[in-house]
Amino acid sequence: DVKVTQSSRYLVKRTGEKVFLECVQDMDHENMFWYRQDPGLGLRLIYFSYDVKMKEKGDIPEGYSVSREKKERFSLILESASTNQTSMYLCASSSAGTRNGYTFGSGTRLTVV
Amino acid sequence: QKEVEQNSGPLSVPEGAIASLNCTYSDRGSQSFFWYRQYSGKSPELIMSIYSNGDKEDGRFTAQLNKASQYVSLLIRDSQPSDSATYLCAALIQGAQKLVFGQGTRLTINP
Repeated sequence: DVKVTQSSRYLVKRTGEKVFLECVQDMDHENMFWYRQDPGLGLRLIYFSYDVKMKEKGDIPEGYSVSREKKERFSLILESASTNQTSMYLCASSSAGTRNGYTFGSGTRLTVV
Repeated sequence: QKEVEQNSGPLSVPEGAIASLNCTYSDRGSQSFFWYRQYSGKSPELIMSIYSNGDKEDGRFTAQLNKASQYVSLLIRDSQPSDSATYLCAALIQGAQKLVFGQGTRLTINP
């Protein structure tokens, strides 16, 4: 019973392409998050959203944007992909307050060539 | 900057022994703490949460919290090779709804 679904497990894109990473959760969670994870750098927060049409920048928002048109869906957009955006991208969701922690999606391994 | 610190390891433990993973946090106002397990190439999976001082046990796992010392730990009893993974400690930032993660400790259980 998958609860946070990321649309692609692996993606290969070319430099300069616009890339869309999709995340859907079926737990009626208010909060959704996008992280990237790189060896030696840990999890770094890109953007998050506490409500529909709401977004807030995380620690490394440069080169990214997000969209949350529906409660269950949170999309990460790489406006013009670059090789330094090659990474594992993780989507997570949580209920209001995040008292029970996050549930993560299975991740998308993005390679930009 | 709110921080969570973990020893990156690797931590090597023989099968059947107790593995002890430690974490400190800087935000004295944090009230909720989480341990995630992450296998290589996979996403983090929540294995324990703890909110009160003391110990919380779930099967072979025990989480310990000491708010005065700003210290969280995870004990794994009767360690199995399948416990080999990276363990991430996370704290809920006071007044926010997001977690701060440590860098993770890589644990290897040797048969």
